[in-house]
Amino acid sequence: DGGITQSPKYLFRKEGQNVTLSCEQNLNHDAMYWYRQDPGQGLRLIYYSQIVNDFQKGDIAEGYSVSREKKESFPLTVTSAQKNPTAFYLCASTSSGRYYNEQFFGPGTRLTVL
Amino acid sequence: GENVEQHPSTLSVQEGDSAVIKCTYSDSASNYFPWYKQELGKRPQLIIDIRSNVGEKKDQRIAVTLNKTAKHFSLHITETQPEDSAVYFCAASSGATNKLIFGTGTLLAVQP
Repeated sequence: DGGITQSPKYLFRKEGQNVTLSCEQNLNHDAMYWYRQDPGQGLRLIYYSQIVNDFQKGDIAEGYSVSREKKESFPLTVTSAQKNPTAFYLCASTSSGRYYNEQFFGPGTRLTVL
Repeated sequence: GENVEQHPSTLSVQEGDSAVIKCTYSDSASNYFPWYKQELGKRPQLIIDIRSNVGEKKDQRIAVTLNKTAKHFSLHITETQPEDSAVYFCAASSGATNKLIFGTGTLLAVQP
């Protein structure tokens, strides 16, 4: 299960607080992704980054922010502007290239708003 | 926009029977179609994938078929076992951007 890690495993947030979820990979992958998973809705893309210092919005970026200062790290901040942040958050990475390759997922962070 | 539809949302089979999950995609430029298995509370893991230059791929009890003309692909699991019980997600690559579009998942229950 090594290669891509997320922390913490569980996170509790009070309304109005910003929280940051960590994602680290040692697979030397160029591309990294953040997904949100809600029951019955599959995986929805929040943000993705194909190279260091560059990232793009996914389908549900509102209320979230990211940075990609290092190849190994892609932290996600859930801001107070996100109206319903309680969900399971998954980070993934893949090697870039001409053809698509497998996306490897981290173990996830379960965020609960109190 | 780009979309992947997945059916059924739940599937219950008897141990030893076959299970089939179907997906359709909207982006005709999609060329990569992975299937992921996610056990309760765990991360999704790739079980099989197929590229648009082939119509079928098999790995032991698991197979995937692709019909590019109809823009649909299916996962076939034969001789199901209780440990196959999980949520299965299909996905399709986006032709416009380097990302995957996921289906909404199928909860497979294999009854012993």
